[in-house]
Amino acid sequence: SQQGEEDPQALSIQEGENATMNCSYKTSINNLQWYRQNSGRGLVHLILIRSNEREKHSGRLRVTLDTSKKSSSLLITASRAADTASYFCATDVSMDSSYKLIFGSGTRLLVRP
Amino acid sequence: ETGVTQSPTHLIKTRGQQVTLRCSSQSGHNTVSWYQQALGQGPQFIFQYYREEENGRGNFPPRFSGLQFPNYSSELNVNALELDDSALYLCASSLRGANEQFFGPGTRLTVL
Repeated sequence: SQQGEEDPQALSIQEGENATMNCSYKTSINNLQWYRQNSGRGLVHLILIRSNEREKHSGRLRVTLDTSKKSSSLLITASRAADTASYFCATDVSMDSSYKLIFGSGTRLLVRP
Repeated sequence: ETGVTQSPTHLIKTRGQQVTLRCSSQSGHNTVSWYQQALGQGPQFIFQYYREEENGRGNFPPRFSGLQFPNYSSELNVNALELDDSALYLCASSLRGANEQFFGPGTRLTVL
């Protein structure tokens, strides 16, 4: 089963604009991660935010985490056409000294040139 | 590129057949996880292997089985294929205890 929902399901913006995607989850987490997927291929890890962190930056990416609301957001600033992809949040669930990832349903981002 | 490879890229099978998908882990990674991604959905955890043994399993029936080999490469086997098994199958390698997983490009399975 999916951990939660992502909002919006689809987003279309002009190149240069900012894109914001939101993720909600159901259970307590250790960490929350964001992944990107191009054209139904493999996922690429973007950023990890720990449960005791509230905000994290990586290049043009900014992630926030609100554990009281069980939600996270991913902001991509100054978007480019190459940012067109699906974006997924994932929480990691402990499993005998390892982890499995529970993914949201994803946001499909289209950046128009 | 993550260094994780999967084969084949695409596969077409008919209902009732069996299929084997293969994954080669990133160098040095000892843990491999498999995920199923239906069209328009997020990936769902199938199972994870560490030291050639299953280390955890998602909500998938026993006809989904796996293997991990001493070189950490892995196979996913699905018996008695059903139409709903049509999906992108992703493997991900990691170090045991690490949060980040590195995904392969996936195998797209179509069951007719």
